Amino acid sequence: AQKITQTQPGMFVQEKEAVTLDCTYDTSDPSYGLFWYKQPSSGEMIFLIYQGSYDQQNATEGRYSLNFQKARKSANLVISASQLGDSAMYFCAMREGDGSYDKVIFGPGTSLSVIP
Amino acid sequence: NAGVTQTPKFQVLKTGQSMTLQCAQDMNHEYMSWYRQDPGMGLRLIHYSVGAGITDQGEVPNGYNVSRSTTEDFPLRLLSAAPSQTSVYFCASSEGLAGKQYFGPGTRLTVT
Repeated sequence: AQKITQTQPGMFVQEKEAVTLDCTYDTSDPSYGLFWYKQPSSGEMIFLIYQGSYDQQNATEGRYSLNFQKARKSANLVISASQLGDSAMYFCAMREGDGSYDKVIFGPGTSLSVIP
Repeated sequence: NAGVTQTPKFQVLKTGQSMTLQCAQDMNHEYMSWYRQDPGMGLRLIHYSVGAGITDQGEVPNGYNVSRSTTEDFPLRLLSAAPSQTSVYFCASSEGLAGKQYFGPGTRLTVT
């Protein structure tokens, strides 16, 4: 069964607008973490933001924020004031485990295109 | 710091050949992983390690072996290459369970 679902294969956003990339996850572990990574066309993986399952507040990193809704098991990425350089693949990932053998798995990704 | 390094960058193998993809990190990270990324898809976890001497299987471990004799190195061995193993392989490390993963530049492998 898919552990991480990203239902938007492709998204378009106007430059300077905000955009939300969806991510839902499935786990029975009480302790887990959620990540977002960006992969530009050059291929490298760039860490954007992290949210722990016990964190009380939504994570923010500059123009990135994570809309964490634990009961709905969703961890959407919000990018404010989109820039042309934000055009890339975006992957949601989850760390799960019992604390000794945790592993990080990725969703299928969303392709974001920023339009001038 | 060099971060996470992977060699080679590109490799072409014939079906049935074996090879080792090298991964090294100089950040003293305990946690290391191998992923494969197929065209238009996300990363799938092959094997991971939570420290020297400790490894475990990920989502797609068949056809691959790993070992972790030192903190720095985490090689991935393809036992008998198959065309289905054509992919881009990423190695990653992190300093803790909640830490961000640092990725290597990837190895593009083609099996003919």
